Amino acid sequence: AQTVTQSQPEMSVQEAETVTLSCTYDTSESDYYLFWYKQPPSRQMILVIRQEAYKQQNATENRFSVNFQKAAKSFSLKISDSQLGDAAMYFCAYRSGNTPLVFGKGTRLSVIA
Amino acid sequence: KAGVTQTPRYLIKTRGQQVTLSCSPISGHRSVSWYQQTPGQGLQFLFEYFSETQRNKGNFPGRFSGRQFSNSRSEMNVSTLELGDSALYLCASSLAVGRASEQYFGPGTRLTVT
Repeated sequence: AQTVTQSQPEMSVQEAETVTLSCTYDTSESDYYLFWYKQPPSRQMILVIRQEAYKQQNATENRFSVNFQKAAKSFSLKISDSQLGDAAMYFCAYRSGNTPLVFGKGTRLSVIA
Repeated sequence: KAGVTQTPRYLIKTRGQQVTLSCSPISGHRSVSWYQQTPGQGLQFLFEYFSETQRNKGNFPGRFSGRQFSNSRSEMNVSTLELGDSALYLCASSLAVGRASEQYFGPGTRLTVT
């Protein structure tokens, strides 16, 4: 079964600095999607960024970018110019075919003013 | 366009009771998924429905059941509640099933079992 591992339960970053959240996954599939979701204290989960495994170019969404290393099965999220509103739980997730989303345990990010 | 709505937002039940949670997807979305979120287990998949058919089911006991109606609204039911069922139950909708279909989450229903 596919698994997603987030090895950093908690992280903190100074406002305006850059932080990288780690994620590794285990799969035997070659075609899949990877996602980063953000869950702020209000609890509504939102999609931050997604990456298709067949695309070599790393996805970017404004201040959020990923470092996708397919061979290493690594999918890290970089947040640049961190803002107070970035404080949240961040979940890495994986999906292949029609199987359900598989989530990691999450990383709680604190932003220090 | 309105987002995913879940009702009720908060619920307190007693062990042995049953509960029904409701989810209304974004207009036009035909797929609804349910997840259980707890501090210990994280996010665990419960069910996925598409056009009133269950497409995927997670590893939960038979006390957990769900259904989807013709208007894509979905309900999940938990019978004979246990203390361990206390959790945030999240619903997510998407246009279709499959790895590329983006899921939009609702605010969740916080269930407390006493």
